[in-house]
Amino acid sequence: EVQLVESGGGLVQPGGSLRLSCAASGFTFSSYWMSWVRQAPGKGLEWVANIKQDGSDKYYVDSVKGRFTISRDNAKNSLFLQMNSLRAEDTAVYYCARGEGYRNYWGQGTLVTVSS
Amino acid sequence: EIVLTQSPGTLSLSPGERATLSCRASQSVSNSYLAWYQQKPGQAPRLLIYGASSRATGIPDRFSGSGSGTDFTLTISRLEPEDFAVYYCQQYGTLPLLNTFGQGTRLEIK
Repeated sequence: EVQLVESGGGLVQPGGSLRLSCAASGFTFSSYWMSWVRQAPGKGLEWVANIKQDGSDKYYVDSVKGRFTISRDNAKNSLFLQMNSLRAEDTAVYYCARGEGYRNYWGQGTLVTVSS
Repeated sequence: EIVLTQSPGTLSLSPGERATLSCRASQSVSNSYLAWYQQKPGQAPRLLIYGASSRATGIPDRFSGSGSGTDFTLTISRLEPEDFAVYYCQQYGTLPLLNTFGQGTRLEIK
């Protein structure tokens, strides 16, 4: 059974940093692109970042470029999102998802709240 | 950047009725790379349709997708109580692998 479990969310002050993790199981992690998608409270879905199987290609939505970094550790079946210079508008549930196009597996999400 | 506009914003129907949800793209979606998701409160999105018309594994056949180019439709033939949720379309056909979601259609019980 495919499982994606996010962790690392929490309350952080504006300008602060947070690192999200996603533990994957039930499939060959190193064979798939992976993504982060977020959802602000009461709002729609927003794609954040994609990373290729070997980590050689990464893509970001414009609003997070230069602040967020997606990475992965295939030996540990883990996906990460390093978030720096956080802003109030980054407040959202962050989902880890399999794939770079359509996404058929999602984690349960982890809430990031940016507030003073 | 391709912008996806979903309509209507809210759709009020009764169980047993037919639901038709629209997703319009600001420019052509290459290879019909369009997906539909269902999301219920407090849950992650669930993939329903990919490639504009292919049902994902385990999705009932009352869900169908159609369209190409800039106009796409999700149809639920006979609404079941569990179908009332928010539905999102997503395109994934642009390079370099950027993708966008529509703003969602809320399907509510009338």
